[in-house]
Amino acid sequence: DQQVKQNSPSLSVQEGRISILNCDYTNSMFDYFLWYKKYPAEGPTFLISISSIKDKNEDGRFTVFLNKSAKHLSLHIVPSQPGDSAVYFCAASDKGGTSYGKLTFGQGTILTVHP
Amino acid sequence: GAVVSQHPSRVICKSGTSVKIECRSLDFQATTMFWYRQFPKQSLMLMATSNEGSKATYEQGVEKDKFLINHASLTLSTLTVTSAHPEDSSFYICSANNLAGGRKTQYFGPGTRLLVL
Repeated sequence: DQQVKQNSPSLSVQEGRISILNCDYTNSMFDYFLWYKKYPAEGPTFLISISSIKDKNEDGRFTVFLNKSAKHLSLHIVPSQPGDSAVYFCAASDKGGTSYGKLTFGQGTILTVHP
Repeated sequence: GAVVSQHPSRVICKSGTSVKIECRSLDFQATTMFWYRQFPKQSLMLMATSNEGSKATYEQGVEKDKFLINHASLTLSTLTVTSAHPEDSSFYICSANNLAGGRKTQYFGPGTRLLVL
């Protein structure tokens, strides 16, 4: 049962344009969402997060939007740069007890930014 | 930022042997660490939550007798793959939770590539 889904396995974007990566979730107990960037044979690197009490969070070129009613979030990168090329994972957590910090990951989307 | 290390980065072993992977938080204390595995072109799947001073909590379908976890101190967790078989070949990643920083401060190690022949 895939509770966090990234339905686009890959995305190709021209340098300078906007990259939009999408993520859907099914578990209504999730209340905190994160985006990670990952290169092959490396651990994920935290990019940006959003709490369910917000619908938008912005950090430099990265903005995450959350639509709770649709159980959907997206990561916008603008302008996209070739160095952004990597695999992007959406992750979600709920706040309860011993699962604090336990993350459920999506399948990942491979972003390629062309010069 | 905070750093999490893993050792070894890569290991090749014969079927039937045991392999130990270490995960260390280098500049913060982690009462909780997590172990994930990632198969090629797939997502990171949580295997278990490692709690300092108590037993690990395993996810459904993960054999606790095969994947032994020891959280010996606030900066070290170890994962031992016992009697490894080729199907255990995977990329194992740990993360450490710095509770003082909130949920977003979960830092990942660089991963360990295990190949069982």
